[in-house]
Amino acid sequence: SAVISQKPSRDICQRGTSLTIQCQVDSQVTMMFWYRQQPGQSLTLIATANQGSEATYESGFVIDKFPISRPNLTFSTLTVSNMSPEDSSIYLCSVVGGVGTGELFFGEGSRLTVL
Amino acid sequence: GENVEQHPSTLSVQEGDSAVIKCTYSDSASNYFPWYKQELGKRPQLIIDIRSNVGEKKDQRIAVTLNKTAKHFSLHITETQPEDSAVYFCAASASGNEKLTFGTGTRLTIIP
Repeated sequence: SAVISQKPSRDICQRGTSLTIQCQVDSQVTMMFWYRQQPGQSLTLIATANQGSEATYESGFVIDKFPISRPNLTFSTLTVSNMSPEDSSIYLCSVVGGVGTGELFFGEGSRLTVL
Repeated sequence: GENVEQHPSTLSVQEGDSAVIKCTYSDSASNYFPWYKQELGKRPQLIIDIRSNVGEKKDQRIAVTLNKTAKHFSLHITETQPEDSAVYFCAASASGNEKLTFGTGTRLTIIP
């Protein structure tokens, strides 16, 4: 298993500002995944954060809007830049619990509201 | 890329009855199919998963079936209880690719 701490848990932001979400894992992991869950919707993968290399972004998501850092094997940040009300979502950090298991463990999520 | 469709979007069943949620996937390379339960305001949590080398897996009141030929898999919950009320997500991924593609979710309501 994996214990994931995310912060902030929630925030209210003004249009045009940026916010950085932090994710800390209690063990070393190769990949960390950032998902977005819009209100009442499913989970959509934003990007995969790899330690020592650039993050890999999914279609529809770009580095300028969602820059990611991965300074070590237990920590990552996701920044939501130049926010608009459409960015109001829950952002979840996740990791695979064990080699070969495939099971994703999620952080508690960061609920962002953009006014 | 992978596309996962999930039905129904909402499901209400009487307590004690069974609930079935179905998913289809598009990528024949997918071989790992987990189901996640998300209670209101909480993070998604794995409840059961299946790999493509088996057709069915059970864990107490929960079972998952997989038809790889037809590219569909289903979640079965028997003897439903009020605490089963939640949103359920299916997902799929391919071997060596830990990236999961999620279905659109099913809001299950158990009626006491």
